[in-house]
Amino acid sequence: EPEVTQTPSHQVTQMGQEVILRCVPISNHLYFYWYRQILGQKVEFLVSFYNNEISEKSEIFDDQFSVERPDGSNFTLKIRSTKLEDSAMYFCASSEAQAGELFFGEGSRLTVL
Amino acid sequence: GESVGLHLPTLSVQEGDNSIINCAYSNSASDYFIWYKQESGKGPQFIIDIRSNMDKRQGQRVTVLLNKTVKHLSLQIAATQPGDSAVYFCAEYTGGGNKLTFGTGTQLKVEL
Repeated sequence: EPEVTQTPSHQVTQMGQEVILRCVPISNHLYFYWYRQILGQKVEFLVSFYNNEISEKSEIFDDQFSVERPDGSNFTLKIRSTKLEDSAMYFCASSEAQAGELFFGEGSRLTVL
Repeated sequence: GESVGLHLPTLSVQEGDNSIINCAYSNSASDYFIWYKQESGKGPQFIIDIRSNMDKRQGQRVTVLLNKTVKHLSLQIAATQPGDSAVYFCAEYTGGGNKLTFGTGTQLKVEL
């Protein structure tokens, strides 16, 4: 069964460092998403992406965040200068259609020290 | 404004009993809802969905009910099993179909 894969599974970084989280969406999917989940809290929307453009972003997704689809298979989330409060689980998701079922990856745990 | 919230943060049931997890939403324009299950340390997993032109939809051991009048959604799990222990989230599409918004989540604990 096709699945969304994410790397790394866990990254520890120092405050102020740049982090790139990588995702390989399901191959025939066209819509891509990043979500964040702080431990014990709900899953929060960060950004949606389609046709090489951001479709929508939340207020969490400020200038420190960016997304890119560099090569037609990967979908990345970059945090330019990490803060302690960026520590969370980051989930990538993809869907075949707009407003369709989202398929989630297993997540990348980011710990900012 | 838009919000999706859950009535109970934790639900404990005996194995074999039926479970009912409730969810309230506030955006009357929402027309597509999804229930996700999240096991510890894993990503959300699709369980069942429902569109606003339906009141009820059934899957394998799960049923989703939608009451648009009171903007309420519920997930019923029949014959709850230990493997059903997880956090359950309802989610609704907002933002013209570009944003799936999750509710707070309910922890389901199945007691043997």
